[in-house]
Amino acid sequence: QKEVEQNSGPLSVPEGAIASLNCTYSDRGSQSFFWYRQYSGKSPELIMFIYSNGDKEDGRFTAQLNKASQYVSLLIRDSQPSDSATYLCAVNRLYSGGGADGLTFGKGTHLIIQP
Amino acid sequence: EAGVVQSPRYKIIEKKQPVAFWCNPISGHNTLYWYRQNLGQGPELLIRYENEEAVDDSQLPKDRFSAERLKGVDSTLKIQPAELGDSAVYLCASSLGGTSGNTIYFGEGSWLTVV
Repeated sequence: QKEVEQNSGPLSVPEGAIASLNCTYSDRGSQSFFWYRQYSGKSPELIMFIYSNGDKEDGRFTAQLNKASQYVSLLIRDSQPSDSATYLCAVNRLYSGGGADGLTFGKGTHLIIQP
Repeated sequence: EAGVVQSPRYKIIEKKQPVAFWCNPISGHNTLYWYRQNLGQGPELLIRYENEEAVDDSQLPKDRFSAERLKGVDSTLKIQPAELGDSAVYLCASSLGGTSGNTIYFGEGSWLTVV
């Protein structure tokens, strides 16, 4: 059974600070790692994906992957009140012939940015 | 480009009644997913289609749930009869598939309340 673990929070961060969101996964065969943002009453929206160990930066967001530790994180720099949402970590496997299985999601971390 | 389109957005039904949800994926996306999301949880995969073929329906409660994807484009998810525990958001998602189409995009969801 594949599992993705996240601290449900809420995680409260002052505006302008760095928000750090963490995720661990149980399936060592996982190859793709995603972060989705979900506002209350809305569907998940893709923020970033990462495939390789290390850091990947996109604007104020940085995803970090450590496959040896089975650990993924998302850093949000210069946090804004509009970043307040639930952040979902998701993983899946890729197939050698192309394609991938469905995403396995964590329960999400509720992030609150305090003005 | 239009995103994943779902209908209806909201549905309230009495238990034991049937309900159906419709999804139109992003144009050209061969892979279609149905997820269910309960309050405070991450989305859980119900079924995944590659074109017309259901390649992973291991999590679909087959006694009351059914799905189809005729002609490999639109899809319908049906519940009959509905139970109180089926109240959730039903999310349709799609991806290109293949070696470069791993990213999954979600529709706005169909919110089901069973009373």
